[in-house]
Amino acid sequence: ETGVTQTPRHLVMGMTNKKSLKCEQHLGHNAMYWYKQSAKKPLELMFVYNFKEQTENNSVPSRFSPECPNSSHLFLHLHTLQPEDSALYLCASSQKFGGEQYFGPGTRLTVT
Amino acid sequence: GDSVTQMEGPVTLSEEAFLTINCTYTATGYPSLFWYVQYPGEGLQLLLKATKADDKGSNKGFEATYRKETTSFHLEKGSVQVSDSAVYFCALNTGNQFYFGTGTSLTVIP
Repeated sequence: ETGVTQTPRHLVMGMTNKKSLKCEQHLGHNAMYWYKQSAKKPLELMFVYNFKEQTENNSVPSRFSPECPNSSHLFLHLHTLQPEDSALYLCASSQKFGGEQYFGPGTRLTVT
Repeated sequence: GDSVTQMEGPVTLSEEAFLTINCTYTATGYPSLFWYVQYPGEGLQLLLKATKADDKGSNKGFEATYRKETTSFHLEKGSVQVSDSAVYFCALNTGNQFYFGTGTSLTVIP
């Protein structure tokens, strides 16, 4: 399998649930990113990892917790989310930090 | 600071019409410029790119020319198809940062 994959593609969760989003890249890249895409709003960069080290956290609430165990895998752990967190969550990777990004298909998250 | 500005949407065109989506940028140095496309229900895909002034990126009939004098990277296509309906994002890479525009929604009607 090639490119950037994300699972699950769709997720519905209650506000008290705990779930995790998974991203895997098969491109040998060293940087990985989480974005939030909400309707009628610009892409929001949430987290950046470069060589497994977190380099950016753009004021994201603590109910979102990223994890990068290695350069190929990135997780976003979710707990006690709010309905306004419903969005498409996109993962991307690049060869180097800030370089050309390759995106996964996204996880459509609905918080009820 | 560095940024990308693209035209507001939505844009609705008839099939075979000419498409232009404007994109201008602000950056120090010599950035690379990109257009990404997002089809319904999918993530972003790289459509084309240009890495230096006067370069023309092209793919699937789309073109964009890196104009340093006007700090622009407008996306064009001579004859759009229904399958081109998507959201288009202009993006800027300064080497250690990546900036996306807000996206322009395109709908092509038969």
